[in-house]
Amino acid sequence: DTEVTQTPKHLVMGMTNKKSLKCEQHMGHRAMYWYKQKAKKPPELMFVYSYEKLSINESVPSRFSPECPNSSLLNLHLHALQPEDSALYLCASSASDRIPYNEQFFGPGTRLTVL
Amino acid sequence: AQKITQTQPGMFVQEKEAVTLDCTYDTSDPSYGLFWYKQPSSGEMIFLIYQGSYDQQNATEGRYSLNFQKARKSANLVISASQLGDSAMYFCAMSLSGNTPLVFGKGTRLSVIA
Repeated sequence: DTEVTQTPKHLVMGMTNKKSLKCEQHMGHRAMYWYKQKAKKPPELMFVYSYEKLSINESVPSRFSPECPNSSLLNLHLHALQPEDSALYLCASSASDRIPYNEQFFGPGTRLTVL
Repeated sequence: AQKITQTQPGMFVQEKEAVTLDCTYDTSDPSYGLFWYKQPSSGEMIFLIYQGSYDQQNATEGRYSLNFQKARKSANLVISASQLGDSAMYFCAMSLSGNTPLVFGKGTRLSVIA
């Protein structure tokens, strides 16, 4: 199984809502990532989890809250978002971020619209 | 700091022809990896091919090959026998040894014409 799954595929939320994005992989990978991608731009790294611990936070606003309940699951909790947070949110995993240049496998993404 | 440059915002290619997508990189670290990803309009980033800085031979993966010229710091992607399904955005990316995340270029949008 070389698949990373993400739910939901699409999400529309108001600025006062609380929602969560979910990501799951069953490849035994120990590093998981959240990226944000605006239209016609490359992905921007948000968070990296390594062995279920947050290892990188790219100065992301606190209205985005990541969580890694176990080695297969990664969540992104959303609260009080702004319209400019509307984007494609991509989850990725790799065997380990301690191995040089191991490829990341991406999920299909969640298209988020904040009204 | 490392940097990836893709100078072609958009490219057109005739079906069944070969096409080269350019990528140059900049790093002072001697140990790095270079990646190409394809992103169709559906959004998913699909890993295509990888080249390590110490690899002696250019990487190949089916119709994809990577023209790695270390002295020129270029890692161009060559797609042979283009298909309509190859129409997508293509990103070149780099990571350094150790715990460093991928750095992406701005991407090239490839359109394959029948």
